[in-house]
Amino acid sequence: DTGVSQDPRHKITKRGQNVTFRCDPISEHNRLYWYRQTLGQGPEFLTYFQNEAQLEKSRLLSDRFSAERPKGSFSTLEIQRTEQGDSAMYLCASSPNTGTYGYTFGSGTRLTVV
Amino acid sequence: AQKVTQAQTEISVVEKEDVTLDCVYETRDTTYYLFWYKQPPSGELVFLIRRNSFDEQNEISGRYSWNFQKSTSSFNFTITASQVVDSAVYFCALSEEYSGAGSYQLTFGKGTKLSVIP
Repeated sequence: DTGVSQDPRHKITKRGQNVTFRCDPISEHNRLYWYRQTLGQGPEFLTYFQNEAQLEKSRLLSDRFSAERPKGSFSTLEIQRTEQGDSAMYLCASSPNTGTYGYTFGSGTRLTVV
Repeated sequence: AQKVTQAQTEISVVEKEDVTLDCVYETRDTTYYLFWYKQPPSGELVFLIRRNSFDEQNEISGRYSWNFQKSTSSFNFTITASQVVDSAVYFCALSEEYSGAGSYQLTFGKGTKLSVIP
């Protein structure tokens, strides 16, 4: 296992378009997280899955955002009707079920909305 | 609510100098976890250390050391004999045991950009 994989690495889209990102966690990790990082800031929590169940969502996750983790393996994050304010690095992370040992982060997907 | 403050936005040091990155946190929980991550220009967050609230022992790993002081709510990170490869943004983060639905979500500081000049 090579760690957490995210695809694509970069995405440029026009305002108003929909985009979808994919995350493949470490295979034995039950927990999966999405974070967003804007320029000059630390990552901010978006949502959390335990297996296929989405158990927590941040207030940052507006109605235009939706995340899924079918079958408890990979996850997708979709943004509908993108806005320029959505431009950011979207980071995925996974961790073992204990949750206290920190995460392994992926390299992120950098989204630019023009 | 939890909060992490990294007051130093940017630090520049000359290679081989020692440097300390400050981190101050706020939490109402008695059980919590503190982390440091390194983010090189490639963007991936690299885990450096995890500390739980009941373990105040300082830790040393090679050129890295961490000083955890509950009395001042600080978890500072020192790099000894800095090297150019240490240049990166360093984030301190906090996770509470009872945050949300047991997510152990991380609250990050804004990061400190370290530049090591050859």
